[in-house]
Amino acid sequence: NAGVMQNPRHLVRRRGQEARLRCSPMKGHSHVYWYRQLPEEGLKFMVYLQKENIIDESGMPKERFSAEFPKEGPSILRIQQVVRGDSAAYFCASSPPMTGGYEQYFGPGTRLTVT
Amino acid sequence: RKEVEQDPGPFNVPEGATVAFNCTYSNSASQSFFWYRQDCRKEPKLLMSVYSSGNEDGRFTAQLNRASQYISLLIRDSKLSDSATYLCVVNGGGSYIPTFGRGTSLIVHP
Repeated sequence: NAGVMQNPRHLVRRRGQEARLRCSPMKGHSHVYWYRQLPEEGLKFMVYLQKENIIDESGMPKERFSAEFPKEGPSILRIQQVVRGDSAAYFCASSPPMTGGYEQYFGPGTRLTVT
Repeated sequence: RKEVEQDPGPFNVPEGATVAFNCTYSNSASQSFFWYRQDCRKEPKLLMSVYSSGNEDGRFTAQLNRASQYISLLIRDSKLSDSATYLCVVNGGGSYIPTFGRGTSLIVHP
């Protein structure tokens, strides 16, 4: 059973460009969480999604950031008009439906660098 | 008061030592507790769940104290490979969203 997959692993964008981060959950998992981690800091929750539904986006900035988890395909975290402060590691985690998101399995992350 | 608090460390111990970390949480309605391990520039990995009765996995023992609202992780016979950041995670209490502590750094030296 493949683990959580994220791509790209590294992404470099210039200020003002768009960044698209993808996350494929583990097989059978229907819950996806996105987190951001700045250097030397803890994980910050951004958004929690189930298939075709955003359950909680309380941790996501109101502007420039959006997320989706379509019926088919990976979950996408989209950052428009990136700024230097968006540089961070973005982790996706998935969990199976029965646990209600309690045990999470993380992908390897996407390291975004904004130049 | 932060929802989940951990001593950031670092805890610097020799191989073979026993080391313990505590983590306090503020929401008394919290229901699930976990320890994750994160290596430098890697993703967090689930280390163990923490049950009310406590649980043990090899050299690792986790305990929960609901009355005082903390969980602990004990590592016996530390190995160099145990060097990592240990994250405390608390879940439930009316929220789907797990709350991560900022982590405790452990450095095991020869």
